Amino acid sequence: DGGITQSPKYLFRKEGQNVTLSCEQNLNHDAMYWYRQDPGQGLRLIYYSQIVNDFQKGDIAEGYSVSREKKESFPLTVTSAQKNPTAFYLCASSIDFSSDKSYEQYFGPGTRLTVT
Amino acid sequence: KQEVTQIPAALSVPEGENLVLNCSFTDSAIYNLQWFRQDPGKGLTSLLLIQSSQREQTSGRLNASLDKSSGRSTLYIAASQPGDSATYLCAVQSYNQGGKLIFGQGTELSVKP
Repeated sequence: DGGITQSPKYLFRKEGQNVTLSCEQNLNHDAMYWYRQDPGQGLRLIYYSQIVNDFQKGDIAEGYSVSREKKESFPLTVTSAQKNPTAFYLCASSIDFSSDKSYEQYFGPGTRLTVT
Repeated sequence: KQEVTQIPAALSVPEGENLVLNCSFTDSAIYNLQWFRQDPGKGLTSLLLIQSSQREQTSGRLNASLDKSSGRSTLYIAASQPGDSATYLCAVQSYNQGGKLIFGQGTELSVKP
């Protein structure tokens, strides 16, 4: 089955520790995205990648880092610099990303991160 | 800057009722509008995507309409069932924000048996 997998489903960390969330897709999509979702709020874009070895900051990139070494994988690191890291993190992908044409995004199951 | 609003934030209806969820956006320069379903603690499932040139899309008991000029979309659910209980989010792909998706906060729907 084609799709997007995120692991782990739940993650607990102590304050001050960096943590990496995994996102893998087998849809052969060029573009991948990371969003953050807080209770009662819409999704906010953290980072996105249009192609391997390239990524761009979204609206709330501070305290996060990403890499895109393989087409299938787009891991997100939540660093100790992120002031409020506890949230639900969603990974998504699309066939491509363009600022001048329509595309459809597909989402993974999410990772709930709790930092205490 | 594009803003997407969904009203109401929560809705409770008895089983069998037809219902409408609303989504409004401030900038009509969009490529498309997507409706998603999200079950508690889960990811988003795409329900319908309406291209900016289209007026509506249908899938089963769901019908989504788009009025770009007025900045509105509705998601119509016919003969609601308890299994329809979830949060429904709309998102627009915004031309003036680099083609990114801008999300509403969602409407939490509860269908009572």
